[in-house]
Amino acid sequence: EAGVVQSPRYKIIEKKQPVAFWCNPISGHNTLYWYRQNLGQGPELLIRYENEEAVDDSQLPKDRFSAERLKGVDSTLKIQPAELGDSAVYLCASSLEGYSAYNEQFFGPGTRLTVL
Amino acid sequence: GNSVTQMEGPVTLSEEAFLTINCTYTATGYPSLFWYVQYPGEGLQLLLKATKADDKGSNKGFEATYRKETTSFHLEKGSVQVSDSAVYFCALTPNAGKSTFGDGTTLTVKP
Repeated sequence: EAGVVQSPRYKIIEKKQPVAFWCNPISGHNTLYWYRQNLGQGPELLIRYENEEAVDDSQLPKDRFSAERLKGVDSTLKIQPAELGDSAVYLCASSLEGYSAYNEQFFGPGTRLTVL
Repeated sequence: GNSVTQMEGPVTLSEEAFLTINCTYTATGYPSLFWYVQYPGEGLQLLLKATKADDKGSNKGFEATYRKETTSFHLEKGSVQVSDSAVYFCALTPNAGKSTFGDGTTLTVKP
């Protein structure tokens, strides 16, 4: 079974440029998460989808970040314009059922973003 | 809000040494507790979990017990191998809300 796929794996851009990350969750997984992981820290949730609905986006900086999950499968996270402080690893994760304290999250390898 | 505090790293051990990585948490209610491991260049993957007080999670020789009285979920392994070198994350997931992760502990095992 294929795992969570993310692309690109690495991205270097100049500040004020736009950037987009793509995630393909494990087939059949209804819940999709985007996390940001700063260097030396644990992942922090940006947004959670249940199917195509964003059910928790309270941590998403909506002035510059946007996300979509069309048809409840693939998802794209966009930053426009990027700032120096956005340099981080962006992780996508998925889980089989709806949010639950018991569910394991399956993580992709992440996209490492460097903003110059 | 919820929080997870992990033992600061990095941790360097010789092969076959005993491993303990401390994890304490602050949360309301009764969250589930997890240990995830991240190998170089890979995503986080579940190592073990415990969903209620006094539960013991175990996998690949690693163990952790959910201690509500001390709000802890320490990770242990009796004899580490070079292949255990990775970053270990403690996390909690409440019944409602979002998961909270610790900052990770880097383990290096030398032959």
